[in-house]
Amino acid sequence: NAGVMQNPRHLVRRRGQEARLRCSPMKGHSHVYWYRQLPEEGLKFMVYLQKENIIDESGMPKERFSAEFPKEGPSILRIQQVVRGDSAAYFCASTLGTGETDTQYFGPGTRLTVL
Amino acid sequence: SQKIEQNSEALNIQEGKTATLTCNYTNYSPAYLQWYRQDPGRGPVFLLLIRENEKEKRKERLKVTFDTTLKQSLFHITASQPADSATYLCALTGRRALTFGSGTRLQVQP
Repeated sequence: NAGVMQNPRHLVRRRGQEARLRCSPMKGHSHVYWYRQLPEEGLKFMVYLQKENIIDESGMPKERFSAEFPKEGPSILRIQQVVRGDSAAYFCASTLGTGETDTQYFGPGTRLTVL
Repeated sequence: SQKIEQNSEALNIQEGKTATLTCNYTNYSPAYLQWYRQDPGRGPVFLLLIRENEKEKRKERLKVTFDTTLKQSLFHITASQPADSATYLCALTGRRALTFGSGTRLQVQP
């Protein structure tokens, strides 16, 4: 039973380019969360999605960032016109249910470097 | 505003000793508190969850306490081993997602 998968593991972009980060949840999980981790900081919640629905995007920057979780395929976090401040590790997590005690299983992360 | 604080300084201890990590929070009334382990270059891994009405929770060599009056959780690793060296994150359960502290790095010396 594969865990949460993220790709690419490392992504380098120049300022102004687009970054696409993919997350495949654990088998049977239909809830996905995206977090961002800046160096020496904790993980910050960005967005919570269920299949075909954005449930909570309160942590997502208003511009340039978008997320989707289509009926088929992985969840995608998209960053348009990247800037140096977007350099960070982006983690996704998945849960089986929506309860507050549901364990979040994290992927290995995508490390984005903006040159 | 809501705030979670963990000691940002690394904790260095000798193998076999008990490691104690602290998590303090303000402006929160969480129903649950969780602890995660994160190794360099990897995602966090869930360790323990404790409910507000539980004072203490144990799992093998791990023990977590939760004092809602002090707004503090303590995380203990007994008989520590070099393999326990990692960053430990506490997280509070919000409406949807987790709110994490910045973590404390533990280094267990052989």
